Amino acid sequence: GAVVSQHPSWVICKSGTSVKIECRSLDFQATTMFWYRQFPKQSLMLMATSNEGSKATYEQGVEKDKFLINHASLTLSTLTVTSAHPEDSSFYICSARSPGGNEQFFGPGTRLTVL
Amino acid sequence: SQQGEEDPQALSIQEGENATMNCSYKTSINNLQWYRQNSGRGLVHLILIRSNEREKHSGRLRVTLDTSKKSSSLLITASRAADTASYFCATGLSAGNMLTFGGGTRLMVKP
Repeated sequence: GAVVSQHPSWVICKSGTSVKIECRSLDFQATTMFWYRQFPKQSLMLMATSNEGSKATYEQGVEKDKFLINHASLTLSTLTVTSAHPEDSSFYICSARSPGGNEQFFGPGTRLTVL
Repeated sequence: SQQGEEDPQALSIQEGENATMNCSYKTSINNLQWYRQNSGRGLVHLILIRSNEREKHSGRLRVTLDTSKKSSSLLITASRAADTASYFCATGLSAGNMLTFGGGTRLMVKP
């Protein structure tokens, strides 16, 4: 099956710094990638939809200037958490849609801890 | 608000028993998918059922979909300790589009 990777898998940073998370589709081209956030013991909440070569579409309540998304190629989307604060600590998961299909393939997630 | 609501929120059973989880949603959908997540890990896709399908099987998994009631169920038969995880339903409003996740059911299978 299709494989999606994320890097890093775990990051700890100080408050105020920016953190970049990469999402890669390893064996297929993904025109659309999705970014989710999951707080402990809660479900996944969609943050934004990332389309290759165009601006991301953000869900209501998600600050686009704080969560910068770049989908520069068909295999890579990045999420940058700018000026991270402790309340941004969460599990960030990306997914990539299979070409022409309904299924989304999920990355293993990135755990962000902001001190 | 979340599209899907799942019940129960938590389920504890003995190994060998069957586990049934339910998911309800609010709007018309194109497809409904079930995922498993082990603690602190990524999601594993289990099964996808389209809106024109009523039942689907995959190994020990059986999924039903009732679009008139806007509900789905996931049945895991002959459960194993390794099935211990959180299970989420997710609805797709259109083919290949974003998914909206339910709150999840935390399943514990005791050996």
